[in-house]
Amino acid sequence: DGGITQSPKYLFRKEGQNVTLSCEQNLNHDAMYWYRQDPGQGLRLIYYSQIVNDFQKGDIAEGYSVSREKKESFPLTVTSAQKNPTAFYLCASKDGRDYNEQFFGPGTRLTVL
Amino acid sequence: GQNIDQPTEMTATEGAIVQINCTYQTSGFNGLFWYQQHAGEAPTFLSYNVLDGLEEKGRFSSFLSRSKGYSYLLLKELQMKDSASYLCAVSDSNYQLIWGAGTKLIIKP
Repeated sequence: DGGITQSPKYLFRKEGQNVTLSCEQNLNHDAMYWYRQDPGQGLRLIYYSQIVNDFQKGDIAEGYSVSREKKESFPLTVTSAQKNPTAFYLCASKDGRDYNEQFFGPGTRLTVL
Repeated sequence: GQNIDQPTEMTATEGAIVQINCTYQTSGFNGLFWYQQHAGEAPTFLSYNVLDGLEEKGRFSSFLSRSKGYSYLLLKELQMKDSASYLCAVSDSNYQLIWGAGTKLIIKP
């Protein structure tokens, strides 16, 4: 079955620690995205990548980093510089055609203690 | 600035019809998407409108008026499983999605 996987579903970390969230897709999509979702707010774009070895900052990139070494994988690192990292993180991918919808992974709920 | 407005919460009765509105102001327009999101889960695609008019897909329909910056999602024959948040998103001039905060729909028996 084709789809997007994110792991783990729930993640707990101590304040000051970096943590990497996994996102893998086998849909052969070129574009991949990371969003953050907080209660009462719309999805906010952290980073996106339209092709391997290239990525761009979204609206709230500060305190986050990404890599895109393989087409299938787009991991997100939440660094200690992110002031309020506790949130629901969603990864999405899209076929290269601009009018296509984005497909989402199941999300990772990160709690920083 | 860019802005998407939706009602925060709506309540409807099982078997009834509900209309969820979305108004937008964005830099450019390359289509409007509606997604459904159950609590704690991923958003799933419902519909896409790029031209004015009504798109019907089973119990769900979506309408767009580009001149008014307005869309609505119409849900008919409501079922308890339709209880979810409904997200409106506009594709801007760079084909990036600008998201509304979502409308939480509560279905009562």
